Amino acid sequence: DAKTTQPPSMDCAEGRAANLPCNHSTISGNEYVYWYRQIHSQGPQYIIHGLKNNETNEMASLIITEDRKSSTLILPHATLRDTAVYYCIVRVGLGSWGKLQFGAGTQVVVTP
Amino acid sequence: GAGVSQSPSNKVTEKGKDVELRCDPISGHTALYWYRQRLGQGLEFLIYFQGNSAPDKSGLPSDRFSAERTGESVSTLTIQRTQQEDSAVYLCASSDLGIVGVEQFFGPGTRLTVL
Repeated sequence: DAKTTQPPSMDCAEGRAANLPCNHSTISGNEYVYWYRQIHSQGPQYIIHGLKNNETNEMASLIITEDRKSSTLILPHATLRDTAVYYCIVRVGLGSWGKLQFGAGTQVVVTP
Repeated sequence: GAGVSQSPSNKVTEKGKDVELRCDPISGHTALYWYRQRLGQGLEFLIYFQGNSAPDKSGLPSDRFSAERTGESVSTLTIQRTQQEDSAVYLCASSDLGIVGVEQFFGPGTRLTVL
């Protein structure tokens, strides 16, 4: 699976949008971009995933550049409960059995 | 049960002892994954089950680690002759299918401390 690069930490003010970048310059054509988050002392939680097109769900939006070498997770209105480590993961499509390879992630702290 | 459950939530053991960690996946989920998370680090994949078989064991760190799944449900991760470097949180996840594009649901983990 392609490696990903994320900033180690970022702060965000409550109520503002949080934009989390991820670089995956070696991504292949059949690899998906996934985002999970892990709130302290809990198991990871799925947020969103995409292949080429931008995606939006009730939690967040995922913007993938046209060359697919980077992406941005957008939390539109951050709340204190969004404080967590956010992981950007690139997964192979066929034959990978869906296993996830986590990096160090970005520690996001939402402040009042 | 609504989600993935794991037991025990905490386990303290002495070096050299064997431990068993249990995972109860979401009912009906055919795919089950074990991961390990050392303090301050990301998750490491250990093993994947599709039904009761394990087509991917590539993440098991040594032959002291083994896992089984029965009845396409409960899975047990066994660590023999535990070492201090085995101390970590062991997380289990399940999903409908073992393919990309399918969300994995994680349990709360078992925190293992080897003294």
